[in-house]
Amino acid sequence: QVQLVESGGGVVQPGRSLRLSCVASGFNFDDYAMYWVRQAPGKGLEWVALTSYDGSYEYHADSVKGRFAISRDNSKNTVYLQMNSLRPEDTAVYYCAKDGELLGWPYYFDSWGQGTLVTVSS
Amino acid sequence: EIVMTQSPATLSVSPGERATLSCRASQSVGTKLAWYQQKPGQPPRLLLYGASTRATGIPGRFSGSGSGTEFTLTISTLQSEDFALYFCQQYEKWVTFGGGTKVEIK
Repeated sequence: QVQLVESGGGVVQPGRSLRLSCVASGFNFDDYAMYWVRQAPGKGLEWVALTSYDGSYEYHADSVKGRFAISRDNSKNTVYLQMNSLRPEDTAVYYCAKDGELLGWPYYFDSWGQGTLVTVSS
Repeated sequence: EIVMTQSPATLSVSPGERATLSCRASQSVGTKLAWYQQKPGQPPRLLLYGASTRATGIPGRFSGSGSGTEFTLTISTLQSEDFALYFCQQYEKWVTFGGGTKVEIK
């Protein structure tokens, strides 16, 4: 049973930083690319960042490039999202998601965490 | 960036009826198209990938078709648990999602 459990969300002032974590279980973590996908309140889905299965490649959406950084620790089955210089428009539920295909990217997302809410407000 | 456009924004359907949702890509994505279902307060759930392959545990009443730029998700006989938000996603060139179609009870 695949499980993805996010943590680290909360209320933060504009310009500040936050670090999200996602602990994975139930599958061979180091065989799959991992993602962060966000959803602003009442809005659609937006891909934020991707890390390849071995962490050698990292990609970020233009909307967060230079401010957010994805990383992973395969020894801890954990993927992170370091969010700096946060803006009100970054307010969203942030989901951790698992790629649906072995060793490649990007594909579809076959497992999602429950999400963690990040609110950027003064 | 490949833009995904879903229609209609809202679909009103009676239980037991058929629902047909559309997704259009701004350029060809082949069959690299996935569909998700999302209920309030829950994460999205993968329904279909490769335009027409059902994910594990997805009932047979969900089917997908299309290739290139035009795709369809069909729910053959709507059950009460199918009233939800549906998103399409392309993965031909990175990842982009459609804006969603809400399937509501008529």
